[in-house]
Amino acid sequence: KQEVTQIPAALSVPEGENLVLNCSFTDSAIYNLQWFRQDPGKGLTSLLLIQSSQREQTSGRLNASLDKSSGRSTLYIAASQPGDSATYLCAVEDADYKLSFGAGTTVTVRA
Amino acid sequence: DTAVSQTPKYLVTQMGNDKSIKCEQNLGHDTMYWYKQDSKKFLKIMFSYNNKELIINETVPNRFSPKSPDKAHLNLHINSLELGDSAVYFCASSQDMSPGFNTEAFFGQGTRLTVV
Repeated sequence: KQEVTQIPAALSVPEGENLVLNCSFTDSAIYNLQWFRQDPGKGLTSLLLIQSSQREQTSGRLNASLDKSSGRSTLYIAASQPGDSATYLCAVEDADYKLSFGAGTTVTVRA
Repeated sequence: DTAVSQTPKYLVTQMGNDKSIKCEQNLGHDTMYWYKQDSKKFLKIMFSYNNKELIINETVPNRFSPKSPDKAHLNLHINSLELGDSAVYFCASSQDMSPGFNTEAFFGQGTRLTVV
């Protein structure tokens, strides 16, 4: 059974600092890995999707890396802003088409 | 235009009642899902439909029944609601679910169900 862990559970940084969010998964036989953002009372917004054959994906200030063999992914957010405050969720899709989610990292960026 | 929309956003109801949550996607996707987010914030898949066909049916009580009248809709009906059903339910869609296709998932805003 796939287990996804995100560390740390919460993170508070001053504005401008770079953010590093970690995600690990137990079964490396994944189809892809997706990072989401969840704002309080709102749905999930897809940030980046990395196929199992890829090593990283970039979108603006966001960069996500994937090391499938070691079961790890890292989301980097450069030059953080107060608007980046949210919960970030990592999810892996297994060969049976199911997304398994981590519990998330709650980020607070202080102005 | 909202890509994946759920109604209602909030639902408060008494134990024993039957309720439905509706989901619609306007992305032209073939696959739709229902996820449950519990009090510990873990999201777990409940069902998935591909082209109106049930593909994934996790260990969910029979009181939960998904219905897909067409590819753009996947509704969730819950009978005889119990206190433990209180959670946030998310609908999602993806273009497809087969290897080689785009399986990036897009989520709705969630429905917060409170059973009292």
